[in-house]
Amino acid sequence: DAKTTQPPSMDCAEGRAANLPCNHSTISGNEYVYWYRQIHSQGPQYIIHGLKNNETNEMASLIITEDRKSSTLILPHATLRDTAVYYCIVRVDDYKLSFGAGTTVTVRA
Amino acid sequence: DGGITQSPKYLFRKEGQNVTLSCEQNLNHDAMYWYRQDPGQGLRLIYYSQIVNDFQKGDIAEGYSVSREKKESFPLTVTSAQKNPTAFYLCASSPFPLRETPRVQFFGPGTRLTVL
Repeated sequence: DAKTTQPPSMDCAEGRAANLPCNHSTISGNEYVYWYRQIHSQGPQYIIHGLKNNETNEMASLIITEDRKSSTLILPHATLRDTAVYYCIVRVDDYKLSFGAGTTVTVRA
Repeated sequence: DGGITQSPKYLFRKEGQNVTLSCEQNLNHDAMYWYRQDPGQGLRLIYYSQIVNDFQKGDIAEGYSVSREKKESFPLTVTSAQKNPTAFYLCASSPFPLRETPRVQFFGPGTRLTVL
């Protein structure tokens, strides 16, 4: 099963872009990359997912390297409400999301 | 307003008592899941159900039981056999997988259970 590696924490200035890296060097060809975030004491919130191509939605952009061994989640204009733990997940099987420790992102005014 | 509801938000029980956590979704999703989260930890899968009247054990099913009598409901019972039940419990659901949306799971707000 593919595992992910994320930095434990990072700070970001309000209004600036936040770039969150994730390594998944053992990812299989048909495994998707998912990003979720969890604000303290709330349920995880789905952000975005991708397979090979870069993806963008109203919340964020996902950049996946050509070899698919790493990806970057981009929050284009971070706000204080974006302070949360961000999880990069590679599907282990069709029904289980394996959440690791994630990256604690703190957006500072 | 579509979504996943979990009730109650906070629950207190005495040791040795069974307790049932509610999870309801009106998203017409076919699959539902229960996860447990301990402080500073990631989520661990307890049970999941792909269709009505069918469910499978996850990684930490011991001491828990579930039922799936209706598509929109997936209650979790924490039994007295669960040795350390105090935790944050999260319910999730996902639609039938399509090529563009493989199996994205959407989560409820969670129930924080404290066993005294």
